Amino acid sequence: KNEVEQSPQNLTAQEGEFITINCSYSVGISALHWLQQHPGGGIVSLFMLSSGKKKHGRLIATINIQEKHSSLHITASHPRDSAVYICAVSINAGKSTFGDGTTLTVKP
Amino acid sequence: DAGVTQSPTHLIKTRGQQVTLRCSPKSGHDTVSWYQQALGQGPQFIFQYYEEEERQRGNFPDRFSGHQFPNYSSELNVNALLLGDSALYLCASSLGLSMGNEQFFGPGTRLTVL
Repeated sequence: KNEVEQSPQNLTAQEGEFITINCSYSVGISALHWLQQHPGGGIVSLFMLSSGKKKHGRLIATINIQEKHSSLHITASHPRDSAVYICAVSINAGKSTFGDGTTLTVKP
Repeated sequence: DAGVTQSPTHLIKTRGQQVTLRCSPKSGHDTVSWYQQALGQGPQFIFQYYEEEERQRGNFPDRFSGHQFPNYSSELNVNALLLGDSALYLCASSLGLSMGNEQFFGPGTRLTVL
């Protein structure tokens, strides 16, 4: 069993829909990261969380440390949001463990 | 402010060859971590360099080695390449070894082994 589990694995939405991607982890962590990876491979860091909630534009990330769970929400989704979204946890200094990603496709 | 840069962008090698991948960290960062991402999977930690020393290592064979230079840039070397080494190799930089420091990722090097 992976230390970091994401769901769903694949997600297709219509433009404008509200999207939620979930991440559960089984180990104690110091921080959780949400990353975005577009075709071609480059990874962009969206959020780093250790507690509570963060918002950036149409993106919202929440984390519940007690339940070992985090969610990434996208409001008013757009086709340019289509990408792979990866959850990663920092277990010790500098080392991250990654989920396998959620492939999001937003159709116009 | 340049972010993390990697070179080359793409590389094709044959089995048994050796390869060197390069990474320059984000300005001000001193710690470099390398990851391997196979198609359809999340990145897997290879190793981390800080103060020119390997500080942590994931579950990768000794064919994978690295180096960090005084300017904090880093190299990943893979010897005796196998077909299974074909992957996207990602470099990430951060500041120090404190837990939870945000990592910034480079664009990756796509290695194909034929």
